[in-house]
Amino acid sequence: QKEVEQNSGPLSVPEGAIASLNCTYSDRGSQSFFWYRQYSGKSPELIMSIYSNGDKEDGRFTAQLNKASQYVSLLIRDSQPSDSATYLCAVNPSTLTFGKGTMLLVSP
Amino acid sequence: DTGVSQNPRHKITKRGQNVTFRCDPISEHNRLYWYRQTLGQGPEFLTYFQNEAQLEKSRLLSDRFSAERPKGSFSTLEIQRTEQGDSAMYLCASSLELSANEKLFFGSGTQLSVL
Repeated sequence: QKEVEQNSGPLSVPEGAIASLNCTYSDRGSQSFFWYRQYSGKSPELIMSIYSNGDKEDGRFTAQLNKASQYVSLLIRDSQPSDSATYLCAVNPSTLTFGKGTMLLVSP
Repeated sequence: DTGVSQNPRHKITKRGQNVTFRCDPISEHNRLYWYRQTLGQGPEFLTYFQNEAQLEKSRLLSDRFSAERPKGSFSTLEIQRTEQGDSAMYLCASSLELSANEKLFFGSGTQLSVL
């Protein structure tokens, strides 16, 4: 059973819009949650971490966590073409477990 | 450069050959991880070290795979008798384990192609 689920996309949004990326996880004991951005042919880059229920904002990025629903999301405000990448949700029940990622395409 | 360094960046080999990859973590990080990623998938955990001790190995890590971190600094991942199914990006990551909220930082990866 897959432990971290994400829609593979692509999610297409116009420049300036809000992109909403979602993730569910299966292990209720998970304590740490991360979003990584991965450009094609490159390695994952950590962009957000969240550890408690609620919202955490960093610049144009907001991570949201709901442990009761086992749900994590990432909002990207004022999306830019340079945000076009695959966004990986990662959860840490013991070792960091990744979803397949959601491809985001931001059109000019 | 203070990031995670991996060598080589690309490796092309013939089926049945042995290959070895190297990872140099961020200097003060005590944990080092190996992941494998294939096209369209997220990274899959292979193994990790805390200092020189290998603490966990995934079921994905068959007996053809071996990893070492002899002095608690750099690590090597060896694949013996490579198969076409081993073709993937091999990613190394390191972290400073302070609490349950450790963060992993990845190197650029080694892209392996088995012909």
